Amino acid sequence: DIQMTQSPSSLSASVGDRVTITCQASQDISNYLNWYQQKPGKAPKLLIYDASNLETGVPSRFSGSGSGTDFTFTISSLQPEDIATYYCQQYDNLSSLTFGGGTKVEIK
Amino acid sequence: EVQLVESGGGLVQPGRSLRLSCTASGFTFGDYAMSWVRQAPGKGLEWVGFIRSKAYGGTTEYAASVKGRFTISRDDSKSIAYLQMNSLKTEDTAVYYCTRNPSSFDPWGQGTLVTVSS
Repeated sequence: DIQMTQSPSSLSASVGDRVTITCQASQDISNYLNWYQQKPGKAPKLLIYDASNLETGVPSRFSGSGSGTDFTFTISSLQPEDIATYYCQQYDNLSSLTFGGGTKVEIK
Repeated sequence: EVQLVESGGGLVQPGRSLRLSCTASGFTFGDYAMSWVRQAPGKGLEWVGFIRSKAYGGTTEYAASVKGRFTISRDDSKSIAYLQMNSLKTEDTAVYYCTRNPSSFDPWGQGTLVTVSS
């Protein structure tokens, strides 16, 4: 199975800060990576697909980059409504889809 | 509006069975693969499995943790996907989400809670 190592597991930042989350795959997954946002008590929501493509309707302060094994998710200016847990997910191997462990983002 | 609604969750004893349903609306259900993802209390997301559309053979894939115990099926005439869960274990306790596509899970249902306990 492809392991997805996401870091940090949690972070605290101020409103307006730039926030960066990383996700490392245990093997080359090209750009077959998505990012999801899950607010407390809610279902996850797709934000970024194919590593860097913004889902329709998602604010432009969210972005993704990377390919191969190393990926980055960025919130350019943290807003109070961005408080959530964020997950990466690989789909290089459709027989074994895997998520990262999640990053809980809080406001300082 | 694309919508997915799960149902069928509840409290079940270890070793027993339960079937979840995912009712879809707002899109041509038969054109899409359908997936199940679960989340144990306070934990992260875990993919359970998916079923391809009939155009791609309607075949299934499962996570190792549920293979041989869980079965995903679909009824395209009713726009429903099912998750049949047999030989349930306490570690299967989770919120179970239905979602569309295995390559980018979108959208998601609201989830249904399955509690496996004696």
